[in-house]
Amino acid sequence: GAVVSQHPSRVICKSGTSVKIECRSLDFQATTMFWYRQFPKQSLMLMATSNEGSKATYEQGVEKDKFLINHASLTLSTLTVTSAHPEDSSFYICSASPMPGPRIYNSPLHFGNGTRLTVT
Amino acid sequence: DAKTTQPTSMDCAEGRAANLPCNHSTISGNEYVYWYRQIHSQGPQYIIHGLKNNETNEMASLIITEDRKSSTLILPHATLRDTAVYYCIALNTGKLIFGQGTTLQVKP
Repeated sequence: GAVVSQHPSRVICKSGTSVKIECRSLDFQATTMFWYRQFPKQSLMLMATSNEGSKATYEQGVEKDKFLINHASLTLSTLTVTSAHPEDSSFYICSASPMPGPRIYNSPLHFGNGTRLTVT
Repeated sequence: DAKTTQPTSMDCAEGRAANLPCNHSTISGNEYVYWYRQIHSQGPQYIIHGLKNNETNEMASLIITEDRKSSTLILPHATLRDTAVYYCIALNTGKLIFGQGTTLQVKP
């Protein structure tokens, strides 16, 4: 089955530093990748949609300069949390679809196992 | 995307069928119903999806009413490992928007 790998699984960083999270599709090419954030006891919140070779589309209220997304290849998208602060501590999850355009509607997304970010 | 409504929590006895309802009364004709689940501190896992017809796979069955305003996810023989948060999502824009889901507790 389709596998999405996320790295690192856990990261602790100091306030003011930047952290990069990688999301890779291991056995398929992902035209579209999505980034989510989840706070404790809450549901997943969609942050942005990442399309290979183009700029990411951010959801309302998500700062694009704070959360930099790069989707440089069909198998890799990265999320960089810049100048991290304790309130950025969260569980970050990526997902990917092998289907482009309208075909994405009838194709399940595959999720990574998430990255637990703790900012001290 | 149509909004979905699910009960906050449910219990199920181990070995019994777990029936998880979902209301999506504003669903449009081209919106698929997707079910995912999330086990604590892991990424969501795809379970099943459908448009109009009932669907079955190795994990579960999905029953969609004829008017498509509601659906039921059936786990035929629940095990302790099925304890998770189950999300029902109506999808047509290609983006999965998660609601609060149903916390299913499978008890021995």
